[in-house]
Amino acid sequence: GNSVTQMEGPVTLSEEAFLTINCTYTATGYPSLFWYVQYPGEGLQLLLKATKADDKGSNKGFEATYRKETTSFHLEKGSVQVSDSAVYFCALYGGATNKLIFGTGTLLAVQP
Amino acid sequence: EPEVTQTPSHQVTQMGQEVILRCVPISNHLYFYWYRQILGQKVEFLVSFYNNEISEKSEIFDDQFSVERPDGSNFTLKIRSTKLEDSAMYFCASSELAGDSDTQYFGPGTRLTVL
Repeated sequence: GNSVTQMEGPVTLSEEAFLTINCTYTATGYPSLFWYVQYPGEGLQLLLKATKADDKGSNKGFEATYRKETTSFHLEKGSVQVSDSAVYFCALYGGATNKLIFGTGTLLAVQP
Repeated sequence: EPEVTQTPSHQVTQMGQEVILRCVPISNHLYFYWYRQILGQKVEFLVSFYNNEISEKSEIFDDQFSVERPDGSNFTLKIRSTKLEDSAMYFCASSELAGDSDTQYFGPGTRLTVL
């Protein structure tokens, strides 16, 4: 069945460091891919998405490229801020179902 | 900006009691979902709902669970007889369209604690 694998956290970075959070997926067909972010004490917010191969989703300085050849959707940001501290979830949507399948989440802690 | 709302934010109940979690989806959305997240674990799909009926449910969503859209705005999740293992954060979500490009918008969650 469909699944999502994320790198385990926590990821601890200094402000202005480069961020990569790895996400790979297993799916039949051509799923849509998402990154959601959960700030402390809040719900899940859509960060970015990509719906087909080679699409790049971007928002708030974050980017992720849908790579079909490597079945990956890694999240990147060139310069993180303390306010980016949150849990980041990679998710997949597609096939004969309309449910989202989530990865385990990666906690990012950015220190000043 | 329209958003999904959920009440209560935190619910504490005794094992065996019934609970109802409430959600108000975004007003023009047609598809509604419940997910849950047990502390420290991944977000899991429970059920999806469209056109006043369940369109898909997971193995977790057994006979103790039910969903309802009692009026034009609310979407509820009922757990008939809560168990300790039902303690989790429950998220409601809604989407405008089904299909591969569908995007689900989540509420802030209800933290359910079963004692």
